[in-house]
Amino acid sequence: ELKVEQNPLFLSMQEGKNYTIYCNYSTTSDRLYWYRQDPGKSLESLFVLLSNGAVKQEGRLMASLDTKARLSTLHITAAVHDLSATYFCAARMNAGNNRKLIWGLGTSLAVNP
Amino acid sequence: NAGVTQTPKFQVLKTGQSMTLQCAQDMNHNSMYWYRQDPGMGLRLIYYSASEGTTDKGEVPNGYNVSRLNKREFSLRLESAAPSQTSVYFCASSVGGIEQPQHFGDGTRLSIL
Repeated sequence: ELKVEQNPLFLSMQEGKNYTIYCNYSTTSDRLYWYRQDPGKSLESLFVLLSNGAVKQEGRLMASLDTKARLSTLHITAAVHDLSATYFCAARMNAGNNRKLIWGLGTSLAVNP
Repeated sequence: NAGVTQTPKFQVLKTGQSMTLQCAQDMNHNSMYWYRQDPGMGLRLIYYSASEGTTDKGEVPNGYNVSRLNKREFSLRLESAAPSQTSVYFCASSVGGIEQPQHFGDGTRLSIL
């Protein structure tokens, strides 16, 4: 059974600093997704990572995927307050026709001045 | 550009009452999903519909029923609400299957007393 673990679950960082959120998954998965959720709001798709070595960047966020290590990272560069949100990773489980996403618990990020 | 619209946004029910949560998307997406989000549990898939006329169980379908009324609408029904169903419910849609990024509604905050 596929399990997805994120760490840290809570992260408080200063503006201007860099940090990485980790997403480990337990069995083979061929797609990894990152979403953002602002407090009390909906989820917004950030990245879809399709293959080993995939790297995608949008502004101060960069996501990567290492399928051999079963690890995806979300790197934050020079954080700003607007990045404060909860970040979820989700992995697609390959199980014949019963494909579904398994979600991590989310990383709650607070960027402080 | 409405995207995914959920109604109602908030609801309080008494144990044993029934209720239908409504979801509609205007993006001509084929697939639709219902999730629940609970503190410390991440997102869990309740039901999904890969296309109009089809529905399948997700991880936590017990106590729920769904109807894919047409391509736009996917409703979730609680026949006899229980306190354990207190949660935030999200509807999502994707253009193709689960491998496509999902677009989420704003959520329905449901409390069952």
